[in-house]
Amino acid sequence: KNEVEQSPQNLTAQEGEFITINCSYSVGISALHWLQQHPGGGIVSLFMLSSGKKKHGRLIATINIQEKHSSLHITASHPRDSAVYICAVRPGNQFYFGTGTSLTVIP
Amino acid sequence: DTAVSQTPKYLVTQMGNDKSIKCEQNLGHDTMYWYKQDSKKFLKIMFSYNNKELIINETVPNRFSPKSPDKAHLNLHINSLELGDSAVYFCASSRGPTNSGANVLTFGAGSRLTVL
Repeated sequence: KNEVEQSPQNLTAQEGEFITINCSYSVGISALHWLQQHPGGGIVSLFMLSSGKKKHGRLIATINIQEKHSSLHITASHPRDSAVYICAVRPGNQFYFGTGTSLTVIP
Repeated sequence: DTAVSQTPKYLVTQMGNDKSIKCEQNLGHDTMYWYKQDSKKFLKIMFSYNNKELIINETVPNRFSPKSPDKAHLNLHINSLELGDSAVYFCASSRGPTNSGANVLTFGAGSRLTVL
């Protein structure tokens, strides 16, 4: 069983829709990362959270440490948001990754 | 100014060959990692070095050998390549290995290895 579970695995949305991707984890952590993998393969870090909520442009990430759950929201989605979104947690010296959520936003 | 750079970006080789992938970071980070991403896009840790010392060595075949000449470089050498080694290999770095919320992970662009 993976330490980090994401849902949904695949998501197709119309441009402008509000999108939510969920991440649940089973290990104790002090921080959680949301990563974005572009269609070309490159990975960038979107957020690092230890509590509460963070916002960057149209992206919002929330975390509930007690419930071991985080969500990534995209408001007013756009085709350029199409990517794989990966949740990662760090309990100690290494990162555990979710299997990713593949998002396709249709114009 | 690329923060974490990997070379080569693409590598196509025959089974049985030995190949290396190089990684360099100019962020001043102390910890570097190698990850393997399989065909289902799942990222799995292979190795982690902190200040040139191996701190994580997951269950990977001993045909894979990491080498860290200094804390800015972590190279991955693979002996006797097999078909199943075909994957994208990502290098990453972070400020330190401790369980600290301040340690952001920065990835390289990935190296796609194809073994024929």
